[in-house]
Amino acid sequence: NAGVTQTPKFQVLKTGQSMTLQCAQDMNHEYMSWYRQDPGMGLRLIHYSVGAGITDQGEVPNGYNVSRSTTEDFPLRLLSAAPSQTSVYFCASSYRSQPNKPQHFGDGTRLSIL
Amino acid sequence: AQKITQTQPGMFVQEKEAVTLDCTYDTSDQSYGLFWYKQPSSGEMIFLIYQGSYDEQNATEGRYSLNFQKARKSANLVISASQLGDSAMYFCAMREGGWTGNQFYFGTGTSLTVIP
Repeated sequence: NAGVTQTPKFQVLKTGQSMTLQCAQDMNHEYMSWYRQDPGMGLRLIHYSVGAGITDQGEVPNGYNVSRSTTEDFPLRLLSAAPSQTSVYFCASSYRSQPNKPQHFGDGTRLSIL
Repeated sequence: AQKITQTQPGMFVQEKEAVTLDCTYDTSDQSYGLFWYKQPSSGEMIFLIYQGSYDEQNATEGRYSLNFQKARKSANLVISASQLGDSAMYFCAMREGGWTGNQFYFGTGTSLTVIP
């Protein structure tokens, strides 16, 4: 009964460092997505995927890369971290063919860039 | 233009009273879905209620109901008999792009405080 698992929960990086935020789901959901949450701005879509091998950009994709080699995993990569990427990151998944079903969210990753 | 607009940054309600959280949306799609999520201070996102664009009746889930006015493009959340545990951020969201829509949009949220 894991749902959506995000790791790590907290991370501090220095400007210019790279890292990968991990996201895994065990519900066989086709659709997976990454959001960032900043105070007063709600959740903004970074990248999403509708299946293995298929990814697309959301509202705020710059500075982030994704790939989807399996149905279960959807990692988010920061190639060169910047202070503007300090945020809380959420991964979410859902069935693509059941639009009335909600997205399931992970617990979030709190990322600070110094 | 914002896809989802929540105009109430903060709301207060007396315990046991009802409260309405406003949400308006912008889409040219005929098929779309509207969702409300609750985010308590612990940070997790909790799904509350869903309304489809073709649903003729307003959705209800326990103490939550969605006042859907399609012509006005509004999808307000009504919480009846507020409880202290209802204190949280509430986000309205829309899924557009047909029944297999790939884009979700979230509002900026409303912070609800329930007063004893």
